[in-house]
Amino acid sequence: LAKTTQPISMDSYEGQEVNITCSHNNIATNDYITWYQQFPSQGPRFIIQGYKTKVTNEVASLFIPADRKSSTLSLPRVSLSDTAVYYCLVGDMVDDKIIFGKGTRLHILP
Amino acid sequence: EADIYQTPRYLVIGTGKKITLECSQTMGHDKMYWYQQDPGMELHLIHYSYGVNSTEKGDLSSESTVSRIRTEHFPLTLESARPSHTSQYLCASSEFKDRDEQYFGPGTRLTVT
Repeated sequence: LAKTTQPISMDSYEGQEVNITCSHNNIATNDYITWYQQFPSQGPRFIIQGYKTKVTNEVASLFIPADRKSSTLSLPRVSLSDTAVYYCLVGDMVDDKIIFGKGTRLHILP
Repeated sequence: EADIYQTPRYLVIGTGKKITLECSQTMGHDKMYWYQQDPGMELHLIHYSYGVNSTEKGDLSSESTVSRIRTEHFPLTLESARPSHTSQYLCASSEFKDRDEQYFGPGTRLTVT
């Protein structure tokens, strides 16, 4: 089961691009990388998922290097409403023991 | 928005009472999950199910039990609530295929006095 390491907290300002990096040195061949966002008193919400290279959707981009031992979630031009906890998960999605970990608390300042 | 519902949203109950937290989804998802999360802390998987009549324990040991008699319904029961059970309980569901995402309900905040 791949373990992930990500910063405990980050601060940024409105309008900036925010990059949150996650380390997963023992990622397995079948594992995908998934990021969730959680606001206070709510359940997590899926943001993006990828296997390798780059994935982009309307919310974020996910960069995965060739060795797949890390990944970077990129949030373009953040706003105050992006203040949340961001979780990096690694797993094959069929294995149900997906570990959320402590996540990264992102605080956006005006 | 995901069609997954949890009731009650908030529950304050005395020690020793039996409680059932309800979770329902209308997406026809086979996989369902229960997580426990204390304020400001990480989520811990306590139960999951692959489908009807399937239940498995998660990573965090829990005194709660679950059942899956219908695809859309995955209730969690505490036979005798204790103050240590005070927490937020989050239910989620996903399709039974690879690379699927979990859809979370709004959660039940349980306080045992």
